[in-house]
Amino acid sequence: EAEVAQSPRYKITEKSQAVAFWCDPISGHATLYWYRQILGQGPELLVQFQDESVVDDSQLPKDRFSAERLKGVDSTLKIQPAELGDSAMYLCASSFRGRNNEQFFGPGTRLTVL
Amino acid sequence: KQEVTQIPAALSVPEGENLVLNCSFTDSAIYNLQWFRQDPGKGLTSLLLIQSSQREQTSGRLNASLDKSSGRSTLYIAASQPGDSATYLCAVRQDNQGGKLIFGQGTELSVKP
Repeated sequence: EAEVAQSPRYKITEKSQAVAFWCDPISGHATLYWYRQILGQGPELLVQFQDESVVDDSQLPKDRFSAERLKGVDSTLKIQPAELGDSAMYLCASSFRGRNNEQFFGPGTRLTVL
Repeated sequence: KQEVTQIPAALSVPEGENLVLNCSFTDSAIYNLQWFRQDPGKGLTSLLLIQSSQREQTSGRLNASLDKSSGRSTLYIAASQPGDSATYLCAVRQDNQGGKLIFGQGTELSVKP
Protein backbone atom coordinates (compact mmCIF):
# COMPACT_ATOMS: atom_id res chain seq x y z
CA GLU A 1 0.00 0.00 0.00
CA ALA A 2 1.34 3.44 -0.94
CA GLU A 3 2.45 5.61 1.99
CA VAL A 4 3.74 9.10 2.67
CA ALA A 5 7.43 8.93 3.57
CA GLN A 6 9.18 11.32 5.95
CA SER A 7 12.73 11.62 7.22
CA PRO A 8 14.29 11.82 9.64
CA ARG A 9 11.90 10.27 12.15
CA TYR A 10 13.62 12.00 15.05
CA LYS A 11 15.81 15.09 15.22
CA ILE A 12 17.53 16.66 18.22
CA THR A 13 19.17 20.01 17.70
CA GLU A 14 20.39 22.96 19.69
CA LYS A 15 18.81 26.36 19.69
CA SER A 16 19.94 28.57 16.76
CA GLN A 17 20.91 25.61 14.58
CA ALA A 18 19.34 24.88 11.20
CA VAL A 19 17.17 21.79 10.63
CA ALA A 20 15.50 20.32 7.56
CA PHE A 21 12.76 17.75 7.11
CA TRP A 22 11.92 15.80 3.97
CA CYS A 23 8.61 14.43 2.72
CA ASP A 24 7.77 12.19 -0.25
CA PRO A 25 4.00 12.07 -0.88
CA ILE A 26 2.00 9.21 -2.32
CA SER A 27 2.67 8.92 -6.03
CA GLY A 28 0.22 10.98 -8.07
CA HIS A 29 -0.88 13.18 -5.16
CA ALA A 30 -0.71 16.77 -6.37
CA THR A 31 -1.45 18.37 -3.00
CA LEU A 32 1.05 18.28 -0.15
CA TYR A 33 0.62 19.66 3.36
CA TRP A 34 2.99 20.33 6.25
CA TYR A 35 1.38 20.39 9.70
CA ARG A 36 2.91 21.06 13.12
CA GLN A 37 1.58 19.26 16.20
CA ILE A 38 2.56 20.48 19.65
CA LEU A 39 2.29 17.83 22.35
CA GLY A 40 -1.28 17.44 23.56
CA GLN A 41 -2.80 19.46 20.72
CA GLY A 42 -4.19 18.79 17.28
CA PRO A 43 -2.07 19.45 14.17
CA GLU A 44 -2.10 22.92 12.60
CA LEU A 45 -1.33 23.65 8.96
CA LEU A 46 1.97 25.37 8.22
CA VAL A 47 1.98 25.28 4.42
CA GLN A 48 0.02 23.71 1.56
CA PHE A 49 1.33 23.06 -1.96
CA GLN A 50 -0.62 22.37 -5.12
CA ASP A 51 2.00 20.83 -7.41
CA GLU A 52 4.99 23.15 -6.94
CA SER A 53 2.99 26.23 -5.95
CA VAL A 54 2.24 27.42 -2.43
CA VAL A 55 -1.51 27.88 -1.95
CA ASP A 56 -1.57 28.57 1.80
CA ASP A 57 1.32 29.60 4.03
CA SER A 58 -0.59 32.00 6.24
CA GLN A 59 0.49 30.22 9.45
CA LEU A 60 4.12 29.68 8.44
CA PRO A 61 6.56 31.79 10.53
CA LYS A 62 8.35 33.11 7.48
CA ASP A 63 11.15 34.78 9.39
CA ARG A 64 12.57 31.36 10.24
CA PHE A 65 10.64 28.70 8.31
CA SER A 66 10.82 27.96 4.60
CA ALA A 67 9.31 25.23 2.45
CA GLU A 68 9.81 24.16 -1.10
CA ARG A 69 8.51 21.58 -3.57
CA LEU A 70 10.64 22.33 -6.60
CA LYS A 71 9.47 19.61 -8.99
CA GLY A 72 6.02 19.18 -7.57
CA VAL A 73 6.85 15.84 -5.99
CA ASP A 74 8.86 15.70 -2.75
CA SER A 75 9.17 18.61 -0.37
CA THR A 76 11.56 20.05 2.20
CA LEU A 77 10.68 22.11 5.28
CA LYS A 78 13.50 24.09 6.85
CA ILE A 79 13.85 25.96 10.13
CA GLN A 80 16.69 28.43 10.61
CA PRO A 81 17.41 29.27 13.35
CA ALA A 82 15.56 26.76 15.52
CA GLU A 83 14.02 28.00 18.77
CA LEU A 84 12.96 26.11 21.89
CA GLY A 85 9.28 26.62 20.99
CA ASP A 86 9.76 24.76 17.70
CA SER A 87 9.88 21.42 19.55
CA ALA A 88 6.96 19.49 18.08
CA MET A 89 5.92 16.74 15.68
CA TYR A 90 6.09 17.82 12.04
CA LEU A 91 3.62 15.91 9.91
CA CYS A 92 3.43 15.72 6.14
CA ALA A 93 0.23 14.74 4.35
CA SER A 94 -0.86 14.39 0.75
CA SER A 95 -4.09 14.11 -1.19
CA PHE A 96 -5.03 13.40 -4.79
CA ARG A 97 -7.04 16.58 -5.17
CA GLY A 98 -6.71 19.18 -2.43
CA ARG A 99 -10.32 20.15 -2.25
CA ASN A 100 -12.18 16.88 -2.49
CA ASN A 101 -10.10 13.99 -1.34
CA GLU A 102 -8.94 12.35 1.81
CA GLN A 103 -5.59 13.37 3.31
CA PHE A 104 -3.05 10.67 4.10
CA PHE A 105 -0.38 11.34 6.70
CA GLY A 106 3.22 10.24 7.04
CA PRO A 107 4.82 8.98 10.28
CA GLY A 108 6.07 12.46 11.22
CA THR A 109 9.38 13.92 12.36
CA ARG A 110 9.74 14.51 16.09
CA LEU A 111 11.88 17.62 16.65
CA THR A 112 13.46 18.42 20.00
CA VAL A 113 15.26 21.75 20.37
CA LEU A 114 17.63 21.98 23.35
CA LYS B 1 -13.18 31.30 12.57
CA GLN B 2 -13.82 27.56 12.72
CA GLU B 3 -13.12 25.89 16.06
CA VAL B 4 -13.23 22.16 16.68
CA THR B 5 -13.70 20.75 20.17
CA GLN B 6 -13.46 17.19 21.38
CA ILE B 7 -14.91 16.00 24.65
CA PRO B 8 -13.80 14.26 26.77
CA ALA B 9 -10.06 14.91 26.59
CA ALA B 10 -9.41 11.45 28.04
CA LEU B 11 -11.50 8.33 28.51
CA SER B 12 -10.80 5.01 30.21
CA VAL B 13 -13.11 2.01 29.69
CA PRO B 14 -13.00 -1.74 30.37
CA GLU B 15 -12.52 -4.08 27.44
CA GLY B 16 -15.70 -5.02 25.61
CA GLU B 17 -17.56 -1.79 26.32
CA ASN B 18 -19.22 0.19 23.53
CA LEU B 19 -18.19 3.86 23.55
CA VAL B 20 -18.84 7.19 21.88
CA LEU B 21 -16.35 9.97 21.20
CA ASN B 22 -17.69 13.45 20.54
CA CYS B 23 -16.59 16.21 18.19
CA SER B 24 -18.22 19.61 17.76
CA PHE B 25 -17.49 22.45 15.37
CA THR B 26 -18.63 26.06 15.38
CA ASP B 27 -19.14 26.71 11.65
CA SER B 28 -21.53 24.29 9.94
CA ALA B 29 -20.27 25.23 6.44
CA ILE B 30 -17.94 22.25 6.19
CA TYR B 31 -17.02 20.20 3.14
CA ASN B 32 -16.22 16.99 4.99
CA LEU B 33 -15.14 15.63 8.35
CA GLN B 34 -12.42 13.07 8.97
CA TRP B 35 -11.67 10.90 12.03
CA PHE B 36 -8.07 9.87 12.69
CA ARG B 37 -6.26 7.59 15.10
CA GLN B 38 -2.83 8.50 16.49
CA ASP B 39 -0.67 6.11 18.49
CA PRO B 40 1.90 7.68 20.86
CA GLY B 41 4.75 9.32 18.94
CA LYS B 42 3.31 8.26 15.59
CA GLY B 43 1.60 9.82 12.61
CA LEU B 44 -2.14 9.92 11.89
CA THR B 45 -4.11 7.01 10.47
CA SER B 46 -7.33 7.92 8.70
CA LEU B 47 -10.31 5.97 10.05
CA LEU B 48 -13.38 7.43 8.37
CA LEU B 49 -14.25 10.37 6.13
CA ILE B 50 -17.79 11.72 5.96
CA GLN B 51 -18.80 14.12 3.18
CA SER B 52 -21.08 16.97 4.23
CA SER B 53 -23.97 15.38 2.30
CA GLN B 54 -23.65 12.11 4.24
CA ARG B 55 -25.04 11.23 7.65
CA GLU B 56 -22.74 8.35 8.60
CA GLN B 57 -19.92 6.06 7.57
CA THR B 58 -19.05 2.60 8.87
CA SER B 59 -15.86 0.57 8.88
CA GLY B 60 -15.78 -2.64 10.87
CA ARG B 61 -16.46 -1.84 14.54
CA LEU B 62 -16.37 1.90 13.86
CA ASN B 63 -19.32 4.09 12.97
CA ALA B 64 -19.08 7.84 12.49
CA SER B 65 -22.10 10.11 12.25
CA LEU B 66 -22.41 13.71 11.15
CA ASP B 67 -25.07 16.28 12.01
CA LYS B 68 -23.91 19.32 10.10
CA SER B 69 -26.74 21.58 11.19
CA SER B 70 -25.95 21.12 14.88
CA GLY B 71 -22.18 21.08 14.34
CA ARG B 72 -21.61 17.62 15.77
CA SER B 73 -20.02 14.32 14.90
CA THR B 74 -19.68 11.15 16.92
CA LEU B 75 -17.38 8.18 16.57
CA TYR B 76 -18.91 4.97 17.92
CA ILE B 77 -16.58 2.08 18.75
CA ALA B 78 -18.25 -1.27 19.36
CA ALA B 79 -16.85 -3.98 21.60
CA SER B 80 -13.70 -2.04 22.49
CA GLN B 81 -10.35 -3.86 22.67
CA PRO B 82 -7.02 -2.93 24.33
CA GLY B 83 -5.61 -2.43 20.83
CA ASP B 84 -8.05 0.46 20.37
CA SER B 85 -6.08 2.47 22.94
CA ALA B 86 -4.85 5.61 21.16
CA THR B 87 -5.70 9.28 20.66
CA TYR B 88 -8.63 9.93 18.34
CA LEU B 89 -8.73 13.20 16.42
CA CYS B 90 -11.50 14.71 14.36
CA ALA B 91 -10.85 17.31 11.68
CA VAL B 92 -13.05 19.38 9.37
CA ARG B 93 -12.40 20.73 5.92
CA GLN B 94 -14.25 23.90 4.97
CA ASP B 95 -15.48 24.99 1.55
CA ASN B 96 -13.39 28.14 1.52
CA GLN B 97 -10.19 26.80 3.07
CA GLY B 98 -8.69 25.23 -0.01
CA GLY B 99 -8.32 21.85 1.57
CA LYS B 100 -6.64 22.34 4.92
CA LEU B 101 -7.94 20.37 7.89
CA ILE B 102 -8.85 22.05 11.17
CA PHE B 103 -8.32 19.64 14.04
CA GLY B 104 -9.71 19.18 17.50
CA GLN B 105 -7.34 18.48 20.37
CA GLY B 106 -8.17 14.80 20.48
CA THR B 107 -9.58 12.27 22.92
CA GLU B 108 -7.06 9.93 24.54
CA LEU B 109 -8.71 6.52 24.87
CA SER B 110 -7.48 3.77 27.17
CA VAL B 111 -9.14 0.34 27.01
CA LYS B 112 -8.27 -1.78 30.04
CA PRO B 113 -8.07 -5.59 29.73
